[in-house]
Amino acid sequence: DADVTQTPRNRITKTGKRIMLECSQTKGHDRMYWYRQDPGLGLRLIYYSFDVKDINKGEISDGYSVSRQAQAKFSLSLESAIPNQTALYFCATSDSSLTNTGELFFGEGSRLTVL
Amino acid sequence: GDSVTQMEGPVTLSEEAFLTINCTYTATGYPSLFWYVQYPGEGLQLLLKATKADDKGSNKGFEATYRKETTSFHLEKGSVQVSDSAVYFCALTTSGTYKYIFGTGTRLKVLA
Repeated sequence: DADVTQTPRNRITKTGKRIMLECSQTKGHDRMYWYRQDPGLGLRLIYYSFDVKDINKGEISDGYSVSRQAQAKFSLSLESAIPNQTALYFCATSDSSLTNTGELFFGEGSRLTVL
Repeated sequence: GDSVTQMEGPVTLSEEAFLTINCTYTATGYPSLFWYVQYPGEGLQLLLKATKADDKGSNKGFEATYRKETTSFHLEKGSVQVSDSAVYFCALTTSGTYKYIFGTGTRLKVLA
């Protein structure tokens, strides 16, 4: 099984609907991240969490919210989806004890299409 | 602010050709540098990394050297294979921050 698991892997929805993307990890890492990938733009950070009580906005947080339900779970919500939120979303984790030398561990991605 | 610039793709090569994907960065402090690879339908995975100047990261035949004087971390491979077809991302992070800054990615296609 994957160390970082995202659900759903694919979702098609309509404008105005509420969508939740879920992420769970078995790596025991304290830090979790949500990124968005768009062609030609690379990865952009939406939200990040250093522990259950520490949640921070990234560079493109407008229109999104998150919840860190446990150290191992970090969900991303789109309260009212719009077409320009169509993208590939990635959850990632890292270990704070390895900051600056450590790596990010990514899930397989959740492809969201908003019609 | 910190940034990563990498060459635009797509890059199309024949099998066994030499590969270079350029990456330059700007950063305050002393960043660690990474190359991540994304195979079709998968998430990103670390390919190699270097944490200080003149370090060379290597993995699966790929290499990159941390050049502080030219603020570069170019990815090279002497002989590419069809299985190397993927998107490659250059990235950096600096000590004490949450920030992992990614380049826009370079798509590599290797033809048999």
